Amino acid sequence: DVVMTQSPVSLPVTLGQPASISCRSSQNLVYTDGNTYLNWFQQRPGQSPRRLIYKVSNRDSGVPDRFSGSGSGTDFTLKISRVEAEDVGVYYCMQAKNWPWTFGQGTKVEIK
Amino acid sequence: QVQLVQSGTEVKKPGASVKVSCRASGYAFNRYGISWVRQAPGQGLEWMGWIGTHNGETHYAQKIQGRVTMTTDTSTSTAYMELRSLTSDDTAVYYCARETWGTVDFWGQGTQVTVSS
Repeated sequence: DVVMTQSPVSLPVTLGQPASISCRSSQNLVYTDGNTYLNWFQQRPGQSPRRLIYKVSNRDSGVPDRFSGSGSGTDFTLKISRVEAEDVGVYYCMQAKNWPWTFGQGTKVEIK
Repeated sequence: QVQLVQSGTEVKKPGASVKVSCRASGYAFNRYGISWVRQAPGQGLEWMGWIGTHNGETHYAQKIQGRVTMTTDTSTSTAYMELRSLTSDDTAVYYCARETWGTVDFWGQGTQVTVSS
């Protein structure tokens, strides 16, 4: 199975400051079609997960442009340019290149 | 608008089975797969498996292989996830999510399954 490792596990951030979450995969996530199936999800307290980013850097409609995804191969990053109160929650990366799909362990973003 | 509406809370005894439903609306059901994901109390997300709604093809996580069956009913645009031989480790919120080309874009509201004697 592809192991997804996120860091940090906990990320206290000051409002208005940037935040960055790393996600590393144990295998290259480039599929035979040339796409990289790396996704990012946000889960606010008490809510279902919500997709933010798909194929490394494609932001979903309705997702604020302060969220951005980047990376390639085995190293990926989710950045929040200026953290707002509504960004509190747990963030997960997920690979969908190989069965079984696998999630990172999550990064909890909280306000200092 | 796309909606996935799941069945309600379940409480089961160890050794029993549970079947969770996920009714889709707002899109062509057989053009997207359905993935199932669960989340134990205070834990992260765990991918359980996927079913192709157009042909019934399935992929399951090794951890639950042999205890899980995912099915669909295209006449009602509903997906089902049945988990057998339940233990306390299966206590979790179970989510269905619409799958397309290496991602899941819409999620159900979640179904709480509690296994307790």
